[in-house]
Amino acid sequence: DSGVTQTPKHLITATGQRVTLRCSPRSGDLSVYWYQQSLDQGLQFLIQYYNGEERAKGNILERFSAQQFPDLHSELNLSSLELGDSALYFCASSQQGGYGYTFGSGTRLTVV
Amino acid sequence: AQKITQTQPGMFVQEKEAVTLDCTYDTSDQSYGLFWYKQPSSGEMIFLIYQGSYDEQNATEGRYSLNFQKARKSANLVISASQLGDSAMYFCAMREGYGNKLVFGAGTILRVKS
Repeated sequence: DSGVTQTPKHLITATGQRVTLRCSPRSGDLSVYWYQQSLDQGLQFLIQYYNGEERAKGNILERFSAQQFPDLHSELNLSSLELGDSALYFCASSQQGGYGYTFGSGTRLTVV
Repeated sequence: AQKITQTQPGMFVQEKEAVTLDCTYDTSDQSYGLFWYKQPSSGEMIFLIYQGSYDEQNATEGRYSLNFQKARKSANLVISASQLGDSAMYFCAMREGYGNKLVFGAGTILRVKS
């Protein structure tokens, strides 16, 4: 167990639907990062939250949104899903000023 | 421009031999960190080794070492005495500054032959 918990591990849904991916960071870590890993795009940074505030944004589609709650867990919301959104979604967390990043085991999303 | 370049899409190595996975990076920051991660077929991202831009010594962690050549902006991973369990995808990544996101290379698939 890496200390970062992602749920669910697998998700199969239809096009046009909306899903929520959840991430609980390692204890004490204030930063949460979301990544999308697909075969054609590799590992792409989506968004970062630090202590509840959005800190950095990457290649995140407008159909996607995220937030970090007061207890520091984070949720990534994906809406109007398309076949191309099928991917492995990772959450990672890190400490303030630290250099280590801990990844969760990922959520494998399949859009059919 | 690509921040992290891994030029070897795939590599083969004989069991018990050493292998070097290449990584070059591009940054204008003085302070940055370089990471290597292993991703087996099960999908999880496993941290292997870290090198800070101010570290004078090359990082080592067991059978993993990082050949850091700052002037060439390269951070190659060396795996000694390869094992069958080393077969996986390997990613090089960079963090610019502190508390910032990791940027990943495209990865190298390593296959260890018995």
